[in-house]
Amino acid sequence: EAGVVQSPRYKIIEKKQPVAFWCNPISGHNTLYWYLQNLGQGPELLIRYENEEAVDDSQLPKDRFSAERLKGVDSTLKIQPAELGDSAVYLCASSPDAGNTIYFGEGSWLTVV
Amino acid sequence: GDSVTQMEGPVTLSEEAFLTINCTYTATGYPSLFWYVQYPGEGLQLLLKATKADDKGSNKGFEATYRKETTSFHLEKGSVQVSDSAVYFCALTGYGGSQGNLIFGKGTKLSVKP
Repeated sequence: EAGVVQSPRYKIIEKKQPVAFWCNPISGHNTLYWYLQNLGQGPELLIRYENEEAVDDSQLPKDRFSAERLKGVDSTLKIQPAELGDSAVYLCASSPDAGNTIYFGEGSWLTVV
Repeated sequence: GDSVTQMEGPVTLSEEAFLTINCTYTATGYPSLFWYVQYPGEGLQLLLKATKADDKGSNKGFEATYRKETTSFHLEKGSVQVSDSAVYFCALTGYGGSQGNLIFGKGTKLSVKP
């Protein structure tokens, strides 16, 4: 069974430019998460979807970050404009339902220069 | 709010040494507890979990017991290998409005020398 797939794996952009990350969760998983992992830190939740609905986006910086999960499957996380402090790993994860085991993708490594 | 505190690393051990990584938590209600591992250049992988007090999670020789009285979930392994070198994260699932969200500790880097 395929795991959580993310792309791109690595991205280098100049500050003030936009960037987008894509995630394909495990087939049949209703819950999808985006986490932010800064260097040397544990992941922190950005947003959680139950099917198409964002049920917890309290930690998403909405002035520059946006996310969508059209049709309740794939999801896209966008940053516009990017800042130097956004350099981090963006992790996508999924689970069959909230409260079940959460499976992570390999992450998208962003460097803003 | 809910939080996880784990011992700071890095931890450096010789092969076949005994490993303990301490983890304590603060939470309302009765969270589930997890250990995730992150090998270099890879994503997070679930190592083990426990869903209620006194449960013991185990996998690949690693063990951790859910201790409600001490709010702890320490990770142990009797004999580490070079291949165990990775970053280990303790985590819990939130309760109430945060149910289903994983809350992580800062991670502990383990290096095992031959």
